[in-house]
Amino acid sequence: GESVGLHLPTLSVQEGDNSIINCAYSNSASDYFIWYKQESGKGPQFIIDIRSNMDKRQGQRVTVLLNKTVKHLSLQIAATQPGDSAVYFCAEKTGANSKLTFGKGITLSVRP
Amino acid sequence: KAGVTQTPRYLIKTRGQQVTLSCSPISGHRSVSWYQQTPGQGLQFLFEYFSETQRNKGNFPGRFSGRQFSNSRSEMNVSTLELGDSALYLCASSFRAGGVENEQFFGPGTRLTVL
Repeated sequence: GESVGLHLPTLSVQEGDNSIINCAYSNSASDYFIWYKQESGKGPQFIIDIRSNMDKRQGQRVTVLLNKTVKHLSLQIAATQPGDSAVYFCAEKTGANSKLTFGKGITLSVRP
Repeated sequence: KAGVTQTPRYLIKTRGQQVTLSCSPISGHRSVSWYQQTPGQGLQFLFEYFSETQRNKGNFPGRFSGRQFSNSRSEMNVSTLELGDSALYLCASSFRAGGVENEQFFGPGTRLTVL
């Protein structure tokens, strides 16, 4: 069945360093991918998305890379800040179907 | 623009009871989706409503139901509560245009504890 998984459960980085969070997906029909950030006590917050007809998309301090050949998605955060500490989820969906399939989540911890 | 609001934020119920959770989407958003979040299963899709119609449903038992009103507000109901229903229930709204759905915005969730 379809699944979206994350390679590592936790990631610890030094403040100011770049962070890379990876995600694998198994549904080759997925055409829309999203990264969410969830802080304690809050709902998931949209970070950035990418459609399957793109390989890369950049936002403010964040970049998402999509490799459809190996079904891999990554989120790069530049100059990681303490406020970036949270749980990060990748999610995917197919077509007009609103159902998002989420990965398990990875905790990003930023060391001062 | 106000975000997605969910009420109540916290709820404690006992086994066998039923519960109703409410979600008000962002103004102009007509699609509302519900998710259950637990430490063990992560975020799982419950169902989606658009224009008062359920468009999609996840793999949850019939005890989980929902509805959407003409103002796009949505409610979900869980009957005969079980201990395993303890979770954070999240609502997300999105704007559909030309059959294409855009990004989903999540509310803060309702934390349900079943004793």
